Amino acid sequence: RKEVEQDPGPFNVPEGATVAFNCTYSNSASQSFFWYRQDCRKEPKLLMSVYSSGNEDGRFTAQLNRASQYISLLIRDSKLSDSATYLCVVIPGYSTLTFGKGTMLLVSP
Amino acid sequence: DGGITQSPKYLFRKEGQNVTLSCEQNLNHDAMYWYRQDPGQGLRLIYYSQIVNDFQKGDIAEGYSVSREKKESFPLTVTSAQKNPTAFYLCASSRQGVAFFGQGTRLTVV
Repeated sequence: RKEVEQDPGPFNVPEGATVAFNCTYSNSASQSFFWYRQDCRKEPKLLMSVYSSGNEDGRFTAQLNRASQYISLLIRDSKLSDSATYLCVVIPGYSTLTFGKGTMLLVSP
Repeated sequence: DGGITQSPKYLFRKEGQNVTLSCEQNLNHDAMYWYRQDPGQGLRLIYYSQIVNDFQKGDIAEGYSVSREKKESFPLTVTSAQKNPTAFYLCASSRQGVAFFGQGTRLTVV
């Protein structure tokens, strides 16, 4: 099993839709989790951290399921500007950042 | 403004040449990383450094070298031994797991 796995997509959704991505990880000792957003030909930028109890930032909700070893990102009321690749990051105990390959989201009018 | 700066943004190299990509940060972060990204692919770790004068190989270190003589700087040299160096190179620094990236260097072998 790969360290961090994501469905590459693309996820094609209309504006206003709700869409969710999952990211599974193999190292049960992983301590920290994040979602990043990467626009085409740009560097990744931090979208949000993922806390054990789940957390929300506007239209974005992140959740952690330690038992099943996955994190999720829910986007409500999708905007055209949400079109990007979403990368999950998992940090195992030895502190190296491990990136998933990303999930591409395409929001259409 | 604090941040992480990579230069140059675009770089063209002839086959057989070594080139060095610059990465500087003023965020006072101990950890720094180099990643390579190929079209439609994820980020692959080349090298990382948790502290000055120490660095570790990542998943694809062959054909690359780094140094970490100063906390602020983590240059990457792409040597002639790297068989397929054309890619997008990203440098990052982090504290408590939160990573900040430079704008990247697009290297093309001509």
